[in-house]
Amino acid sequence: DIQMTQSPSSLSASVGDRVTITCRASQGISNYLAWYQQKPGKVPKLLIYAASTLQSGVPSRFSGSGSGTDFTLTISSLQPEDVATYYCQKYNSAPPEVTFGQGTRLEIK
Amino acid sequence: QVQLVESGGGVVQPGGSLRLSCAASGFTFSSYGMHWVRQAPGKGLEWVAFIRYDGSNKYYADSVKGRFTISRDNSKNTLYLQMNSLRAEDTAVYYCAKDLMDYGDYFVFDYWGQGTLVTVSS
Repeated sequence: DIQMTQSPSSLSASVGDRVTITCRASQGISNYLAWYQQKPGKVPKLLIYAASTLQSGVPSRFSGSGSGTDFTLTISSLQPEDVATYYCQKYNSAPPEVTFGQGTRLEIK
Repeated sequence: QVQLVESGGGVVQPGGSLRLSCAASGFTFSSYGMHWVRQAPGKGLEWVAFIRYDGSNKYYADSVKGRFTISRDNSKNTLYLQMNSLRAEDTAVYYCAKDLMDYGDYFVFDYWGQGTLVTVSS
């Protein structure tokens, strides 16, 4: 099974900072990578799929990049409402394989 | 707007059964694959099961294969998860989630319900 490892597990940054979260796959997964945001006590929200495609309605300060084994989620200017846990997710339908990273907790400094 | 409303959670003893439901509205339910995803208390996300838009294909995580059954009734816009032989490690919030792409098996979740808590405990 392909494992997904996020780093860091947690981070603290200031409003306005550029924040980068990394997700590494144990084997190449092309661009079959999605990112979700889960605010405290809330439901997960899709941010990005196909590694870099921004989901409709998601602020443009969020962006994704990468292919193969190494992927990044970037928040260009951190806002207070971005406090959340962020999950990467590998997906494949043939055969079906869905694996989430362990999550990265983002706080405001 | 898309709405997914789960129900059926509760407390059940190990070895017991429970049936979850997810009522969908705001989109053409019969055109989209649907998923169940769970989250144990304080833990991360785990995909559980998928059913194709027409019910023709079903897939399960290894952790639930042979114990859980996903189904749907497109005439009622409702998704189900029958959970048998429940274990303590099945304790989690169970979310139903809509697949991103219509008529495809894409395995990306663009809308989620609020979740229903299943607690397996004696």
